[in-house]
Amino acid sequence: NAGVTQTPKFQVLKTGQSMTLQCAQDMNHEYMSWYRQDPGMGLRLIHYSVGAGITDQGEVPNGYNVSRSTTEDFPLRLLSAAPSQTSVYFCASRIDTVGGYTFGSGTRLTVV
Amino acid sequence: GDSVTQMEGPVTLSEEACLTINCTYTATGYPSLFWYVQYPGEGLQLLLKATKADDKGSNKGFEATYRKETTSFHLEKGSVQVSDSAVYFCALKETSGSRLTFGEGTQLTVNP
Repeated sequence: NAGVTQTPKFQVLKTGQSMTLQCAQDMNHEYMSWYRQDPGMGLRLIHYSVGAGITDQGEVPNGYNVSRSTTEDFPLRLLSAAPSQTSVYFCASRIDTVGGYTFGSGTRLTVV
Repeated sequence: GDSVTQMEGPVTLSEEACLTINCTYTATGYPSLFWYVQYPGEGLQLLLKATKADDKGSNKGFEATYRKETTSFHLEKGSVQVSDSAVYFCALKETSGSRLTFGEGTQLTVNP
């Protein structure tokens, strides 16, 4: 049981490039989400999914796309990277409405 | 909307000192409340939780009580250790739905 696995751990992009941050969980959790962590701002919700085929926007969705074709995977796509997207990105999942969330170890993204 | 306010950091203590990190929230209904801990270079880990008023969550010597009358969920520990050095996040989950709202985080450093 690996929990929530995020790849890559580090990434440097040039402005305008696109990339996909991967997130996979092996706990059969229905709910998955993406957060970004910025100094002094805590964690902010980007997108979330309550099950395969269902996604919705969070607090800061602009510039990001998601899809949920399987229960296990929830990739986050940056369509055209901007310096403002420099951040640490965390994927999280949980199984039910009262349980705690399990977080991945994060992806540190720098856009130059 | 829902919000979480944490005491400003950073907090620096000597080993065996008492710790209190204040957390207050604004929410409609009866949210669930959480404390997460983030050790350097790692993702967030659930430290403790409380799902209804007057519940006390506890783990690893830390505890927090859900106080609805003061809308607070302060984190306490009687004697901190160097290994407790980390960033602590207070969070709430809305009554209906799955979204977590985080505070800004409080950096704790414990010196030997």
